Formats: sequence, structure tokens, C-alpha cells
Amino acid sequence: EVQLLESGGGLVQPGGSLRLSCAASGFTFSTYAMSWVRQAPGKGLEWVSAISGSGDGTYYANSVKGRFTISRDSSRNTLFLEMNSLRADDTAEYYCAKNGAGYVYFSLDSWGQGTLVTVSS
Amino acid sequence: DIVMTQSPDSLAVSLGERATINCKSSQSVLYSSNNKNYLGWYQQKPGQPPKLLIYWASTRESGVPDRFSGSGSGTEFTLTISSLQAEDVAVYYCQQYYSVPFTFGPGTKVDIK
Repeated sequence: EVQLLESGGGLVQPGGSLRLSCAASGFTFSTYAMSWVRQAPGKGLEWVSAISGSGDGTYYANSVKGRFTISRDSSRNTLFLEMNSLRADDTAEYYCAKNGAGYVYFSLDSWGQGTLVTVSS
Repeated sequence: DIVMTQSPDSLAVSLGERATINCKSSQSVLYSSNNKNYLGWYQQKPGQPPKLLIYWASTRESGVPDRFSGSGSGTEFTLTISSLQAEDVAVYYCQQYYSVPFTFGPGTKVDIK
């Protein structure tokens, strides 16, 4: 059974940084692309970033490009999202999701429970 | 960026009746080399993460009841729930994964009438 467990969320001041982690199990981590999707309170889903299974391809939403960095450690079966220069509109539940194959151009077939990031002074 | 729109914003359907949700993309998400539409449908129940229902516009994910079906091609797509059950109350989102950024529609809320 695929399991994705996010951690690292919390309260951070505007301009601050945070690093999210997603521990994966139940599948061969290195052979699947992974993604981050966020959801602001009471709002819809927003795709944030994705990384190929090999890690050599990374992709970002315009709203986070230059501020967020996605990475993965296949030795630890863990996905990361490094978030810098955080703004109030980054406040959201952040979901880790597994793509359907090694390339990012696939649907998201498994999702974690999410970790809440709140950016506020 | 590809803009995804959905209609209606919300709908209320009687138990056992059909629910239909529409999704449009601002440009085609059909990849001609493999004839696949890069379009997925997700269900999100209150307090839960999204769940994949349909991918490639019409392929049902394993374990999804067959009352859920997807159709359409190019820029216009439909999710149909053939006989609404109480457990289908949720918000439904379409998403294109044809080009980065992989945009979602705004969602359609489905309730029981």
C-alpha cells in the first residue's frame, strides 16, 4: 500500500523559510515522479511543483518559481520542498502526491494527508 | 498557462439520479502522437486529501466504482456520476497534465437534493 507522510509545516513569519518533507513507502520511490499541490483555506487545489523520478527534471508554478525548490532523496525515499521568502498567500495545506509514472506528465494517483503552512506575523 | 474552467460551480442531485460536471481547457490537452487526453478528475471529501477518479480523460482508476465515468476530448470534458450515492458528496476537480503548470479547475461541489 502506498503511503505518503508529510511533515515540516507550521507557523512562519513573512519572509521566512520552511522545509517540507514527504516520507514515501509502499512503492519503488525512484521510479515515480512526485509532486506538491497546495490548498489555501476554503479554496481550490493549486499545483505547486513536480520532480521526475530520476530527479533531473524539476517544474514549478509561476507563483513559486525562484522561491521554492523541490528535491528528492531516493536513498531515504523522501521528497522535499524548500520554501523561501514566504508570503501570506503561501498559507495553505501542502499535499505530497505520487505521479503515475517516472515522468511528470501523469495524473496524481496517491496523496498524503497534508501539512499546514501558515505565514503570518 | 492552460486555464481550466468547470461548470456548474455546484449542483444538488437526488439520490440515485445522474450528476454531470463539465470541464473546459483554454487549449487542447490532446497529445496527437499517442492520442491521449492529459486530463484527470479528482474527488475531495471534506477534511480529506483529493482522490484520483479518472485519468487520460476516461480511464477509471482501480477501485473506483463504475458509476463514475469520464468522457470528452481536446478541450471539453465531462465527469458523470450515473447514480448518485450519499458517499459521493464532495468537491470534484479536473486537472490538465499536458503542459506545465499543471492547472486545476476551480472545482464543482456536489450535494444531495
